[in-house]
Amino acid sequence: AQSVTQLGSHVSVSEGALVLLRCNYSSSVPPYLFWYVQYPNQGLQLLLKYTTGATLVKGINGFEAEFKKSETSFHLTKPSAHMSDAAEYFCAVAGWKGAQKLVFGQGTRLTINP
Amino acid sequence: GAVVSQHPSWVICKSGTSVKIECRSLDFQATTMFWYRQFPKQSLMLMATSNEGSKATYEQGVEKDKFLINHASLTLSTLTVTSAHPEDSSFYICSASIGGMGGQPQHFGDGTRLSIL
Repeated sequence: AQSVTQLGSHVSVSEGALVLLRCNYSSSVPPYLFWYVQYPNQGLQLLLKYTTGATLVKGINGFEAEFKKSETSFHLTKPSAHMSDAAEYFCAVAGWKGAQKLVFGQGTRLTINP
Repeated sequence: GAVVSQHPSWVICKSGTSVKIECRSLDFQATTMFWYRQFPKQSLMLMATSNEGSKATYEQGVEKDKFLINHASLTLSTLTVTSAHPEDSSFYICSASIGGMGGQPQHFGDGTRLSIL
């Protein structure tokens, strides 16, 4: 079975500050990991994904995440927050070998203070 | 690329009516489509997985007779909420994947907000 834990349901940072959203996963098989962003009343948009290879993954809008197998983590970061980054962020894990079903974390609401 | 269109975006209807929601992949062929339900300030709850040309696989606790899913082509899946009641009011989101090897991301529609009076 797979699971995802996002530490902190709500994170607030100042504009220009570092954004760090935490995600830990549990998986009995090598995981595929995803970060999605959701703006109000919209669906989810893929930010980035890790499948294999380089553990530091760069995504859209200046976000990146690092897969750390030893820590079972896939934290999302952005060096400098922008007001437009305010949204709900979801970390998700999928199993290996074609299993496409995603298991989502509970989400983290990111607020940006001017 | 990888655009998923979901329609309608908002629907309000009376209790007892049936509502159909469409999910289309516009620029790719979706072997697999997923239907989620999202309650306010909560994560997504997978309702069912559908593969083109075959019956949908429902998650435990989801009534298949209440939530009818049809995946008639590689670009279209529909969710019909039958005899809808106020407790069915929610935000429904579909996603689509090209399938094949693992690691393919799901691409999401913009969701449908369903309000049953």
